[in-house]
Amino acid sequence: RKEVEQDPGPFNVPEGATVAFNCTYSNSASQSFFWYRQDCRKEPKLLMSVYSSGNEDGRFTAQLNRASQYISLLIRDSKLSDSATYLCVVNNPGNTGKLIFGQGTTLQVKP
Amino acid sequence: DAGVIQSPRHEVTEMGQEVTLRCKPISGHNSLFWYRQTMMRGLELLIYFNNNVPIDDSGMPEDRFSAKMPNASFSTLKIQPSEPRDSAVYFCASSQTRDRGPNQPQHFGDGTRLSIL
Repeated sequence: RKEVEQDPGPFNVPEGATVAFNCTYSNSASQSFFWYRQDCRKEPKLLMSVYSSGNEDGRFTAQLNRASQYISLLIRDSKLSDSATYLCVVNNPGNTGKLIFGQGTTLQVKP
Repeated sequence: DAGVIQSPRHEVTEMGQEVTLRCKPISGHNSLFWYRQTMMRGLELLIYFNNNVPIDDSGMPEDRFSAKMPNASFSTLKIQPSEPRDSAVYFCASSQTRDRGPNQPQHFGDGTRLSIL
């Protein structure tokens, strides 16, 4: 089983749609969670951290379910500029500083 | 604020040549990471340093790859001799790692696009 698993997609949605991505992680001792965004031919960039109580940043909402070991990202009112690959990231508890990146979920927002 | 700086941005060279990639982490960050990304394998961690000391190099593909961090503001990843299968985008990232508490996010450089002919 992969340490971090994501549905690679692609998710093709119209502008204005709401879309959700899920991600599962294998190590129940993980404590830090992030969503990164990667545009084509660019570097991964931090989108948001994921907190235990869930957190929101504008149109983006992240949720953590420790019991089921999954993380979700919800994007409301999607824009063309949201088209990118979204990477789920989890810390490796056995290695300080090390993060495990999922393979990413590709989102394509169409006009 | 300056982010992670990598050089060169692009490198095209013939197989067998030595390739050296360079990275300057964000000032004040004490952890530095080298990743490789390909379509087939995604983002792979090659090696990471904490306080200039290599902590985990289990991702380094083979002896042809080596990495150094002589000081807190500079690191190199070297491939010698290079092979066509080394063609990929190589990213450097840095973060502020604490002994306790949640992990801090990593910040990536623009990457080096490496093509070995």
